[in-house]
Amino acid sequence: NAGVTQTPKFRVLKTGQSMTLLCAQDMNHEYMYWYRQDPGMGLRLIHYSVGEGTTAKGEVPDGYNVSRLKKQNFLLGLESAAPSQTSVYFCASSPPGGNTDTQYFGPGTRLTVL
Amino acid sequence: GENVEQHPSTLSVQEGDSAVIKCTYSDSASNYFPWYKQELGKRPQLIIDIRSNVGEKKDQRIAVTLNKTAKHFSLHITETQPEDSAVYFCAAGYSTLTFGKGTMLLVSP
Repeated sequence: NAGVTQTPKFRVLKTGQSMTLLCAQDMNHEYMYWYRQDPGMGLRLIHYSVGEGTTAKGEVPDGYNVSRLKKQNFLLGLESAAPSQTSVYFCASSPPGGNTDTQYFGPGTRLTVL
Repeated sequence: GENVEQHPSTLSVQEGDSAVIKCTYSDSASNYFPWYKQELGKRPQLIIDIRSNVGEKKDQRIAVTLNKTAKHFSLHITETQPEDSAVYFCAAGYSTLTFGKGTMLLVSP
């Protein structure tokens, strides 16, 4: 099992450009999450999904969109990148037992917006 | 929504000493309290968790205690080793998790 994987690992964007981050998991998990991690701020939830075809807003959803067309994939989109979106982005997933269960994190994507 | 406060932000100990990190939460509905360890440049990894129906849980050198009345929970690491050096995050929640801002633990040989 690869666990949770993220693509790409690094990306540099110019202000106003768009991009999509891909998260994939092969553990048959129902729940998937996108977090951003900034220095001194911990992990903040952007959006999450409780199953295929569902999405919900987290703590800091503005400027991001998500889609969960397949159970194993969770996409995070930035339509018009801003320097404030420079961050490390982590995807996570939880097993079918419920979302208050162990979250398994991907390796992260380091995004810089110039 | 939930608010999680974590203290201290940095903690320096000598190898072999104990380390304690404390967190408080605001939402009495929270029922799941995990602790994650994150090494530099790596992903967060779960080290121990506790649910609201349990007051204490131990796994070798690591233990977590939960006081639901006071809404606080703590991570205890005994006999610290240099490889324990990392950033530790607490979290709390019942549908989604809210994370604390982290504690950088430095264990000196």
